[in-house]
Order: sequence, then C-alpha cells, then structure tokens
Amino acid sequence: GAGVSQSPSNKVTEKGKDVELRCDPISGHTALYWYRQSLGQGLEFLIYFQGNSAPDKSGLPSDRFSAERTGGSVSTLTIQRTQQEDSAVYLCASGRGSTYEQYFGPGTRLTVT
Amino acid sequence: RKEVEQDPGPFNVPEGATVAFNCTYSNSASQSFFWYRQDCRKEPKLLMSVYSSGNEDGRFTAQLNRASQYISLLIRDSKLSDSATYLCVVNSDNNAGNMLTFGGGTRLMVKP
Repeated sequence: GAGVSQSPSNKVTEKGKDVELRCDPISGHTALYWYRQSLGQGLEFLIYFQGNSAPDKSGLPSDRFSAERTGGSVSTLTIQRTQQEDSAVYLCASGRGSTYEQYFGPGTRLTVT
Repeated sequence: RKEVEQDPGPFNVPEGATVAFNCTYSNSASQSFFWYRQDCRKEPKLLMSVYSSGNEDGRFTAQLNRASQYISLLIRDSKLSDSATYLCVVNSDNNAGNMLTFGGGTRLMVKP
C-alpha cells in the first residue's frame, strides 16, 4: 500500500519567509509525528498527534513553529519567519496508535538562505 | 544523560564479518524496543522489533537485557548493502501516549 508522503521534497526559502510543509500519513494511521534532522545529527522530536486528542507540542523549538492535522489525516507544519538554523530535513511519521512502530515519509529538505 | 545512547562509530568492517552494536537506555519503564536503519540522505526504516526473549531475522539478531537496560544488534555475514546508520529506538510514553525516543545512531561501513 501507499506509504507516508511529504511535500515538497525540497524547499529553498529566504530568511524571514514563512513555509508550509505537508504530510500525508498512511491511510488508517491515527498517530502522526513530526521530527527534524540536521545534517549528521539525530532525530529531534517536534510534535505528535494522536486521534482527536490535544497534540503533544513539547518538542517545538519556538513559537515560530506550529502544526495542524485536519480531519485526523493530513498534517501541515508551518514555520514562520524562517531562520538559517531552521535548515534541516523535516520528517513525518505515522503509526497505528495501538502499537509503537512508526513509518517515515521521505522528508522535506528545507534550506533557508 | 541521554535517554538512548549509542556509539556513533563508524564501524568499518570487511564483507562477511560479524558486527555487533550496543545501545543503553535510561528509562527503566520502557517496554518497546526497535532497531531502525537509515541510509544516507534517506528516511529511517523499521528494521526489527526487539523482544525480551531475543529475536532473529535472517542475518540479524536483536537482544534485550532489561536488568542492564541494554539492547544489542548482531549482523552476521555483513553485505555491502548493510552500510547504513542503525538507530536504537525505545518507547518513551508521555501523557499523550505512544512516543519513541531515537538514539543518535551507529554508522556501519562494510568494505569489499
């Protein structure tokens, strides 16, 4: 079946601009996670959605970052007033919610110039 | 102390070698454990779950030692295609539910 998809695959933006990154989880998966990974570094948790529960935003690095999940499916991660340190690969993962396994999308590589 | 600690490597091994990676975790309440594999510039992919009794999948064997809070991955008969970063992953539930904590990864390079 179809896996997790993310768009765009690459995004280059100027410092100070806003960007939106999209994630389409695997159909039927109730859990959705956003992570970011800087070059050569490990995964940094950002935010977690589970069904209709309030999201866990504990990993968001600043109030410039926000995320929504509409209809329990598609999610959008928004970064306002981008900074150069926001440059990273942003990975989305989904899971069944009843188990811990997470399945990752290919990521969006964000470059802030 | 990091929640999940791994030796970053790299481990450079010849084809056909056996190589083992170790990982320690700090949360004694953790119940679910995994190894993920991440190829260069790709997303992490689930390699295998780790069960209390230990489990094997082809050339890969995973073991868990709860008393020492220690997980291992053994790869036998290494292939060039095994070159990747191996991520040790442990559940870290919070009030919201199912969460995973990822180690920083161990890089493996298999040479001809």
